[in-house]
Formats: sequence, C-alpha cells, structure tokens
Amino acid sequence: QKEVEQDPGPLSVPEGAIVSLNCTYSNSAFQYFMWYRQYSRKGPELLMYTYSSGNKEDGRFTAQVDKSSKYISLFIRDSQPSDSATYLCAPGWGGGNKLTFGTGTQLKVEL
Amino acid sequence: DAGVTQSPTHLIKTRGQQVTLRCSPISGHKSVSWYQQVLGQGPQFIFQYYEKEERGRGNFPDRFSARQFPNYSSELNVNALLLGDSALYLCASSLDVNTEAFFGQGTRLTVV
Repeated sequence: QKEVEQDPGPLSVPEGAIVSLNCTYSNSAFQYFMWYRQYSRKGPELLMYTYSSGNKEDGRFTAQVDKSSKYISLFIRDSQPSDSATYLCAPGWGGGNKLTFGTGTQLKVEL
Repeated sequence: DAGVTQSPTHLIKTRGQQVTLRCSPISGHKSVSWYQQVLGQGPQFIFQYYEKEERGRGNFPDRFSARQFPNYSSELNVNALLLGDSALYLCASSLDVNTEAFFGQGTRLTVV
C-alpha cells in the first residue's frame, strides 16, 4: 500500500463546475498538508498549506483535512480552463520539506 | 524576488557518467530539498538540507549525494548514471524545516 493514494484521473469537467480532488494517506505522523498544481513540464506550484485537521480557503480554492479518516480534499469553485493541470497532494512530517506526494490527478476544464 | 532557480534546465548524459545539478533557493530560505519526478508519477523525496546539514534522506542509493553551501545554494550529484535515473529533478526551498516548500522549474535529465 502506498503512503499516499490519489486517483490519477484524468478528470474532465465543464468550465464553471465545482471540482473535488481527493487523497488518502496511511501515515498518522503526517502533520502538514500541501496541495500543488503542476503544469506540463513545469515545477509544482504551491496552492494550499494546512496544518492538522480543518478547512482553509483561498479564493476559489478550499482545502480540507480530516486526520481521523486520513482524508485530504481540495475543492475548486468556478473552474476555469487555466485550472487544467495536474494536482498533487503532499502530506509531510518533521518538517514541511519532507513531503510524500501522491501520483497526482490530471484535471481538464473544458470550454 | 527571484524564485528557486535550477541549472541546467535540460541535459543528456550517457550511462555510467556522473552529473551535478545546481539549485539556488529563494533569498532568505535556509532549507533546500531535492526530489526526483519520473514521468507520470509524483515527486519522490531524495534529500533535505538545513543550515548545511543533512536533515533527511529518502530511499535512494548511495550513488546520490548532495551538499549545501554557506550561501544556502545546493548541489545534487549522481554517479554511475543508469537509464532509470532519467527524470525531472526538482529543488524546493523553505525558510526552515517546518514551513511551506517552494519548487523550482526542475532539471530534466535524460540518460541514454
């Protein structure tokens, strides 16, 4: 079993849709939870950073962490074609830089 | 402010050769980490350095080594290259070991 499981997609949605991206993890020591967006052939771009359980909102993006069920979610409201990318969840422990990434979910937002 | 910069952006090496990749962190950041991303997979942790000391190592063979310099820049060295080392090598920097990690654009290494 991988430490972080993420549906690779691809996930295709119409413009304006609400997108739900999810990860599960197995290591209860994870304390930090990050979401990255990665465009093709580029480095990952940090979208959201949360510590422990709860919700965090930033513009059209909302991150949810449920440590009791080891479940991480990212919601994108009013999705745009520019949101088309691969989304990577990355929990970490003992320091924000020791991240364990999921395989990433490929999202395509269509006009 | 400049982000994390990596050099070179691309390179091609032959099996058995050695390669050195370079990373300059965001100004003021003292921690640098290295990741390997194989096509179709998420990045995999290789090393973390903080204040020039190794703070963590992932499950990679001893052919992989790294160091951090007094100006907090870092180098990743890979010896005896294998075809399977072909990947995007990513450097991430953060203020310290417990804050958000920001990635560079990566170095795409092709081993032939």
